Amino acid sequence: QVQLQESGPGLVEPSGTLSLTCTVSGGSISTTNWWSWIRQPPGKGLEWIGEIYPSGNTNYIPSLKSRVTISLEKSKNQFSLRLTSVTAADTAVYYCVKNGDPFYFDSWGQGTLVTVSS
Amino acid sequence: QSALTQPASVSGSPGQSITISCTGTSTDVGTYNLVSWYQHHPGKAPKLMIYEVTKRPSGVSNRFSGSKSGNTASLTISGLQAEDEADYFCCSHAGIYTYVFGTGTSVTVL
Repeated sequence: QVQLQESGPGLVEPSGTLSLTCTVSGGSISTTNWWSWIRQPPGKGLEWIGEIYPSGNTNYIPSLKSRVTISLEKSKNQFSLRLTSVTAADTAVYYCVKNGDPFYFDSWGQGTLVTVSS
Repeated sequence: QSALTQPASVSGSPGQSITISCTGTSTDVGTYNLVSWYQHHPGKAPKLMIYEVTKRPSGVSNRFSGSKSGNTASLTISGLQAEDEADYFCCSHAGIYTYVFGTGTSVTVL
């Protein structure tokens, strides 16, 4: 089973850009699976952010679509999340996830806490 | 899209069975047989336990089972063990580019 590990800054300033990378091991990111980012703000429920397919096709939750980009780095077996114009409301534990087919989440990273604060 | 409703906590003694409910609406749980369940030990990666309402991934104990009736899905843990103590949350597909998650349930083994 694949393993996923999130990495990136734990602190981002308001109005800045949140950037996280997910490194996939034990399997290729180029397989026929979607790869997602999911987040959980402190004390709140989980929220699916978006997903990417090995072809580069992406889907995003409408409420974040204007601020989010998910991309692939196949040579490094990684995929990334970029969220612009962040506010305190974007403070959350961010998970990278391998999707199952259909419509479930097969493997998760441990999650990384990103705090938006000056 | 509102979160799926789960009880905040459920407890049971070793060997007992417990059931965790996950209540949604006719636009998510009630429409799609695409409910999944996850076990989460804090600080670790969440683990898929059930998908497509009743299917169990390879390697997951058959003590875990899922079901659905109307707008409510359920996860049953039979023969409760100490290692089952964790947080559990459900998730449902809810249309194009939409997933909705449950509020989460803390399971305590007494």
